[in-house]
Amino acid sequence: QVQLVQSGAEVKKPGASVKVSCTASGYTFNNYMHWVRQAPGEGFEWMGIINPSGGSTSYAQKFQGRVSITTDTSTSTMYMELSRLRSEDTAVYYCARMAGGYCSGTTCSRGYFDSWGQGTLVTVSS
Amino acid sequence: DIQMTQSPSSLSASVGDRVTITCRADQNINTYFNWYQQKPGRAPKLLIYAASRLQSGVPSRFSGGGSGTHFTLTISNLQPEDFATYYCQETYSAPWTFGQGTKVEIK
Repeated sequence: QVQLVQSGAEVKKPGASVKVSCTASGYTFNNYMHWVRQAPGEGFEWMGIINPSGGSTSYAQKFQGRVSITTDTSTSTMYMELSRLRSEDTAVYYCARMAGGYCSGTTCSRGYFDSWGQGTLVTVSS
Repeated sequence: DIQMTQSPSSLSASVGDRVTITCRADQNINTYFNWYQQKPGRAPKLLIYAASRLQSGVPSRFSGGGSGTHFTLTISNLQPEDFATYYCQETYSAPWTFGQGTKVEIK
């Protein structure tokens, strides 16, 4: 069965960077993949997308310049690195597999997240 | 960015009740729209995609409807395991925004 397993919780100081991994299994690692975060007690915020076949990416404007999403197809692993962390970045970060979408490059629509990782809590505190 | 507004933000219901949650988009998003369920400390679970299509393995008491700007999620015959928070999501254009959630609590 499809499984997305994320790396463990992180505690970082303001200004530092964090890199979270998401390892896929149970399917061929060629679906577009996304990162979404959820601040404590809040809703969801989409961060970005990657096409594992080629590595093309697109990021939410809010995170442009601070986020980098990459993949290692040899291990079916996706990474999300967020730099210049601040307290407002404290959140649970989720990876998600996209299904059903129509994409032109990394501009996609009509998709849905049919599998999610278990989430990684990133705490930013001095 | 497309704004998604869910209502109500919370509701109390009893086992066996029928509940309906509404989500409105501030522009036409066709049926590029999904519903998720989230339980405390857990990742979201896809319930409905393309506004009305039931995800495999999801009980048939869940149903979705709507198109354009107005969407609904209906849970008929509410079960104890359905007490959770429900989120809508548009996938018409990036960033794919979510509603703020509707918490379904036990009356």
